Amino acid sequence: SQTIHQWPATLVQPVGSPLSLECTVEGTSNPNLYWYRQAAGRGLQLLFYSVGIGQISSEVPQNLSASRPQDRQFILSSKKLLLSDSGFYLCAWSLGTAGFFGQGTRLTVV
Amino acid sequence: DAKTTQPTSMDCAEGRAANLPCNHSTISGNEYVYWYRQIHSQGPQYIIHGLKNNETNEMASLIITEDRKSSTLILPHATLRDTAVYYCIVRVESNYKLTFGKGTLLTVNP
Repeated sequence: SQTIHQWPATLVQPVGSPLSLECTVEGTSNPNLYWYRQAAGRGLQLLFYSVGIGQISSEVPQNLSASRPQDRQFILSSKKLLLSDSGFYLCAWSLGTAGFFGQGTRLTVV
Repeated sequence: DAKTTQPTSMDCAEGRAANLPCNHSTISGNEYVYWYRQIHSQGPQYIIHGLKNNETNEMASLIITEDRKSSTLILPHATLRDTAVYYCIVRVESNYKLTFGKGTLLTVNP
C-alpha cells in the first residue's frame, strides 16, 4: 500500500534562517506531488505541484521554492524565512484521482 | 474546475446521520465530486468521490443529484471523532491541481 512520509512534525526557526522540508512517498510510481500551506484559521493554499522529476509548477509568488530530485521525493525550501512563512505545511500525492496527504509540519518562524 | 458552495458550519448529534450539502451548479460533464475532511491539526483525509452515480464506502455515502448541480455527503452514524472541516471539491481527473475551498466545520455534539 502507499504511504507518505513528511518530517519534521514541528519546527521553530528564526527569521532569516533557511528551510528544508522533505516529503517521500512509498508504494507508487510517478505520482503527482503537492505542497500546501495552511495559515492559522485559514484554508489550504496550494503552493507547488509536480507531475514528474524536475517539473515544478508554482501557484503563488512567494519566498519558497520546491524541488523534486527523485520520483517520490518532494522538497520545500527557503533561503531566508519570513515571519509570514509560519503555518502548517502539508505534502500530498495523487495519481489522477484522489489526493492523499501527509500529517504535516507545523512551522513557526520567530 | 467548477466552484463549490458549502455552509460554513453545521452541528449534528452523536449517533445521528450528518448530511453535508455542497452546491456545484457550474459543474461540467467530466468533473468529479470529491469529499475530504480535516480533523484539527492533521492532514486532510480523502473520504469519497463520484461522477454521477451515488457512491458508498466504509466511511460515508455520496448522493449526487440527477442534474449534478449539488451533492450531499452522508455520515450515517456520526461520532465525536467525525468533528472536522469537510471539503467538497469538483475537478476533472486530468487536472493535476487539487484546490480546496473553505469547507464546512461539522461539530458532532454528545
